[in-house]
Amino acid sequence: KNEVEQSPQNLTAQEGEFITINCSYSVGISALHWLQQHPGGGIVSLFMLSSGKKKHGRLIATINIQEKHSSLHITASHPRDSAVYICAVDFGNEKLTFGTGTRLTIIP
Amino acid sequence: ETGVTQTPRHLVMGMTNKKSLKCEQHLGHNAMYWYKQSAKKPLELMFVYSLEERVENNSVPSRFSPECPNSSHLFLHLHTLQPEDSALYLCASSPGNNSPLHFGNGTRLTVT
Repeated sequence: KNEVEQSPQNLTAQEGEFITINCSYSVGISALHWLQQHPGGGIVSLFMLSSGKKKHGRLIATINIQEKHSSLHITASHPRDSAVYICAVDFGNEKLTFGTGTRLTIIP
Repeated sequence: ETGVTQTPRHLVMGMTNKKSLKCEQHLGHNAMYWYKQSAKKPLELMFVYSLEERVENNSVPSRFSPECPNSSHLFLHLHTLQPEDSALYLCASSPGNNSPLHFGNGTRLTVT
């Protein structure tokens, strides 16, 4: 069964802390997406990756194909990073299976 | 701004009403999607249109009826909904397979 699990479900941290959000999946994939959803509801695509590592500003996404695991890191976290971060996986059928999201709150 | 615009942002409707959700993109994307996001649940794919043809109907009840009149516009027509249909309805578009999705801000629907 194609499954996507994220951890933690909720994460609260102080401004400036290094943040890690994890995503594990059950079987081989063709691509993994990291998405950001702000309280208003809109979703922004952060990364799409199938191997290795990608970096954009303070955000870093890594994926380990052998371990079926991806992480999203945020360096020097800021209150504006507060959002729900969603992992979504393409298991090769060109449809995305979504995790339930990690709610991140950064306290000033 | 993702380039995908959804209206209305909020909608309250009774179970006997008929309403429509609208999605518009001018990104030149070929594929458009409707997703449903209920509280505490992952996003669920409802419909996919590719080049204005429906290619996916994910066992969605017939009280939800999609329409894609052209590659830039997508509608979701709603009738005789149930309270459990209350959710955030998100539209997305993409250039094609294996491409990132561009989401709208969603329509938060409440069925009373």
